[in-house]
Amino acid sequence: DADVTQTPRNRITKTGKRIMLECSQTKGHDRMYWYRQDPGLGLQLIYYSFDVKDINKGEISDGYSVSRQAQAKFSLSLESAIPNQTALYFCATKGTGSTDTQYFGPGTRLTVL
Amino acid sequence: AQSVSQHNHHVILSEAASLELGCNYSYGGTVNLFWYVQYPGQHLQLLLKYFSGDPLVKGIKGFEAEFIKSKFSFNLRKPSVQWSDTAEYFCAVNVISNTGKLIFGQGTTLQVKP
Repeated sequence: DADVTQTPRNRITKTGKRIMLECSQTKGHDRMYWYRQDPGLGLQLIYYSFDVKDINKGEISDGYSVSRQAQAKFSLSLESAIPNQTALYFCATKGTGSTDTQYFGPGTRLTVL
Repeated sequence: AQSVSQHNHHVILSEAASLELGCNYSYGGTVNLFWYVQYPGQHLQLLLKYFSGDPLVKGIKGFEAEFIKSKFSFNLRKPSVQWSDTAEYFCAVNVISNTGKLIFGQGTTLQVKP
């Protein structure tokens, strides 16, 4: 079984709709991250969480919200989707050690029409 | 603000050619450095990482990278590429702090022709 899973893997929605992307991990990591990937821009950090009570904004948090329901689950919501939120979204997890690396999920391809 | 720059956006090579992908970052303090690879339709996988010690690090699949602190660079190399190396490559930097955030470069698409 994969250590970091994301659902759905693909989603097409319309402008104005509320969308939730889910991420689950079995690595036992406290830290979880949401990134979006756009062609030519690499990955940009949306939100990150150190534990269920510690959530922080990343560089591009506008238009997004998150929920850390448990250590293993970190959801990303688009309250009112717009077309420029069409992108590939990745969840990642990391341990607390300074030499720990981030492990990425398979990604969710979101298209907003 | 910290940033990561990958100079080559799209590289096309023939099999057996040598590869070097450039990566520079802007931050004067201590950093951890990473190269991730994303094969078509797949998620990001770690190729190699540098935390400290020998600046020449070896990763999976014959890749290596050299950290040159004076040049703020962490270039990725492979002596002889294969068709299966066709993928997108991302350089990333983690400024040593409590957040663990990664700052990614724009990515380089490598196409290897058989």
